Amino acid sequence: QQPVQSPQAVILREGEDAVINCSSSKALYSVHWYRQKHGEAPVFLMILLKGGEQKGHEKISASFNEKKQQSSLYLTASQLSYSGTYFCGTEWGSGTYKYIFGTGTRLKVLA
Amino acid sequence: DAGITQSPRHKVTETGTPVTLRCHQTENHRYMYWYRQDPGHGLRLIHYSYGVKDTDKGEVSDGYSVSRSKTEDFLLTLESATSSQTSVYFCAIRPAQQGTMDTIYFGEGSWLTVV
Repeated sequence: QQPVQSPQAVILREGEDAVINCSSSKALYSVHWYRQKHGEAPVFLMILLKGGEQKGHEKISASFNEKKQQSSLYLTASQLSYSGTYFCGTEWGSGTYKYIFGTGTRLKVLA
Repeated sequence: DAGITQSPRHKVTETGTPVTLRCHQTENHRYMYWYRQDPGHGLRLIHYSYGVKDTDKGEVSDGYSVSRSKTEDFLLTLESATSSQTSVYFCAIRPAQQGTMDTIYFGEGSWLTVV
């Protein structure tokens, strides 16, 4: 099992907004978001440590709802450089060292 | 740069042969991971390690074994390679520091083709 992300894929025009969701069947204690460009390794974007916390990185922000076991990534005024596959990642179980990723969301931004 | 080196970066091997992928880190981090990435399946955890000689299975460990005899090296072995193990393999480390440093850093990946 792994966290499920939705949508699986999304196509945007430059300047449009998108939301990517990450839902877990287990309690989440922190959520990390990554972006992967084609042919490259995933790169860390941001971490959310507390329930309800919202963080931002330029025009990319995220929220984390512990009760709902969900996190969402918000991309506003998308740019061509936002294209890639986005993953949420989390420690799977409290106090474990096991770290897994969500199912992934492919995002393509068109000019 | 998280100081992670994977080798080999590209390999073609025949079905039934053993293959070992090496992950080397220079920062003495305790936690190391092996993932495989396939189209439509995202990143799936194969094995992970939380110290020298301390390893555990992930979601897709069948057909794989690992060893960690030194902090800096985490080896992934395909006992008898099959075509279903054709994939991109990523090694990762986790500094496991408190707060915002607790995240995953990846190596550049190893492309393995089993023919």
